[in-house]
Amino acid sequence: QLQLQESGPGLVKPSETLSLTCTVSGGSISSSSYYWGWIRQPPGKGLEWIGSIYYSGSTYYNPSLKSRVTISVDTSKNQFSLKLSSVTAADTAVYYCARLRGYSYGYRVAFDIWGQGTMVTVSS
Amino acid sequence: EIVLTQSPGTLSLSPGERATLSCRASQSVSSSYLAWYQQKPGQAPRLLIYGASSRATGIPDRFSGSGSGTDFTLTISRLEPEDFAVYYCQQYGSSPPLFTFGPGTKVDIK
Repeated sequence: QLQLQESGPGLVKPSETLSLTCTVSGGSISSSSYYWGWIRQPPGKGLEWIGSIYYSGSTYYNPSLKSRVTISVDTSKNQFSLKLSSVTAADTAVYYCARLRGYSYGYRVAFDIWGQGTMVTVSS
Repeated sequence: EIVLTQSPGTLSLSPGERATLSCRASQSVSSSYLAWYQQKPGQAPRLLIYGASSRATGIPDRFSGSGSGTDFTLTISRLEPEDFAVYYCQQYGSSPPLFTFGPGTKVDIK
């Protein structure tokens, strides 16, 4: 079945750029039925959507993070990636990648498959 | 931006009891864009309900979702030991495109 796996450094210095990759296995990232997304969760807190991408490269970002976020897709590797620039301690969180169902059709939209998450700490 | 409020913050119940969790939106939300997730400690969220009332694949029928407009409810008919967790509602708004989550309701063992 479809699985998602996040990868990337677990420690990033303040003011630097956080870079994560999500590898999709057991299915194609190029499916016309799905978008893909990044969501994060600071320790002990709730969930925050970062942004989403379609296999064509079309992106949507959380306005609160838009100036610092870039999400890209590599269909040849079945991967999509997150870059978050100028990080601070407030960006310390578990970062999840997830599949977004229904968005292509505007019908019954939800994140239906999630990766296990990767903890990223921002510290010098 | 639509803000979601969940109540109660914590629900203390015993196995076998019924749990009723509320999610209120600051503006009307399309039912197509309302979902519920379960999260256990150290795990990723798991989709329970999408489209306000449709159960996701593999979700037991003791979980049900209802509601419309600004008021939505997740009901667990009879709590099983594995149901003690945090539950989040989530909505999508299109202007601008934005997914937001509620603050969560923790269901713990009484």
